[in-house]
Amino acid sequence: DTGVSQNPRHKITKRGQNVTFRCDPISEHNRLYWYRQTLGQGPEFLTYFQNEAQLEKSRLLSDRFSAERPKGSFSTLEIQRTEQGDSAMYLCASSPVGASNQPQHFGDGTRLSIL
Amino acid sequence: QKEVEQNSGPLSVPEGAIASLNCTYSDRGSQSFFWYRQYSGKSPELIMFIYSNGDKEDGRFTAQLNKASQYVSLLIRDSQPSDSATYLCAVRDDKIIFGKGTRLHILP
Repeated sequence: DTGVSQNPRHKITKRGQNVTFRCDPISEHNRLYWYRQTLGQGPEFLTYFQNEAQLEKSRLLSDRFSAERPKGSFSTLEIQRTEQGDSAMYLCASSPVGASNQPQHFGDGTRLSIL
Repeated sequence: QKEVEQNSGPLSVPEGAIASLNCTYSDRGSQSFFWYRQYSGKSPELIMFIYSNGDKEDGRFTAQLNKASQYVSLLIRDSQPSDSATYLCAVRDDKIIFGKGTRLHILP
């Protein structure tokens, strides 16, 4: 079990630039989740996939955000035209097949800083 | 809107004492409950999950669930300085809904 892997660990960029993050879930997990966490808050749900299908998106996910999981394995989260309010930790998690009651396993996160 | 409520703390507990962390949730139909520990700058780490009313013990940790009162708690016995962290209560829907977390500080 190699765990959930996220890259990069840190990203610093100027406002208005586009950024893309990658998440590699635990290999046998078919569900993959994206969360965003700001200082002093719990993680907030953004979106999740079952295999390659995106099943739910939060209203937090504006049209500047897009997520993909093209082959049902790794996923990418892209933010276009970044704003200072996008500065946060972006967390990816995965869980096993048929896992409505199973806990999610988190990656180490990508910390985004917008200058 | 499903919600999970926690006291943000900080909760200060002497080393060796019992730390008690509490959480309430809004959706009476919720079935799965989790406690995550998060150190500063790190991602959440699962420490306990509970599905049934009553107590569940794992080492120094005990999770308690009361579905009638929509209340979940976490007890940490023999608190250690390394237990100082933010503890996140979470409820599983298809995604996980987190509380804001309670900061716990164990006093040496």
